[in-house]
Amino acid sequence: KAGVTQTPRYLIKTRGQQVTLSCSPISGHRSVSWYQQTPGQGLQFLFEYFSETQRNKGNFPGRFSGRQFSNSRSEMNVSTLELGDSALYLCASSLGLGRVGTEAFFGQGTRLTVV
Amino acid sequence: GQQLNQSPQSMFIQEGEDVSMNCTSSSIFNTWLWYKQDPGEGPVLLIALYKAGELTSNGRLTAQFGITRKDSFLNISASIPSDVGIYFCAGQWGLGQFYFGTGTSLTVIP
Repeated sequence: KAGVTQTPRYLIKTRGQQVTLSCSPISGHRSVSWYQQTPGQGLQFLFEYFSETQRNKGNFPGRFSGRQFSNSRSEMNVSTLELGDSALYLCASSLGLGRVGTEAFFGQGTRLTVV
Repeated sequence: GQQLNQSPQSMFIQEGEDVSMNCTSSSIFNTWLWYKQDPGEGPVLLIALYKAGELTSNGRLTAQFGITRKDSFLNISASIPSDVGIYFCAGQWGLGQFYFGTGTSLTVIP
């Protein structure tokens, strides 16, 4: 069974540009969550999508957005990049059904560097 | 957003020693998860806990869901060099978001 796949693994962008990251969840998983990880702030929750609907949202500005497709694949977009957006972006997939199947499995992440 | 208090922040131990770390929250959770993360990689799930008081093992790892529902503990017995990494706890209530601990960095000295 394939794991969570994130693309690309590494990305370098310039301030002011926008970026789109992709996440393919484990087959059969309907929930995809996105996290930003930085050395100073740890793992910060961005948002969660379940069956194409945003179910939970963290405290990030509107520049951070996401969506989920009917095949459960998800994309995250960051517009007007700032230097502080440099981070490891992680996506996690789960069945999303509650106590059974709550376990979230992470991808390897996308390392975004903004210069 | 809420962040869980995880301690200790870092540990340096001799190979073969046992390790204990814990995670506390001001809120009640009904799911606790423990992860290990290697540099440059995503966190890998170690143990999932769903019931207050539950004790679950995965090889040399044992985790417990605190009776108050506000804490969880992870123990590693007879540590080996490949145990090196950062360990994170995560808590969830219902179908809400997962809240993550600040991490415990483990170094095992051969």
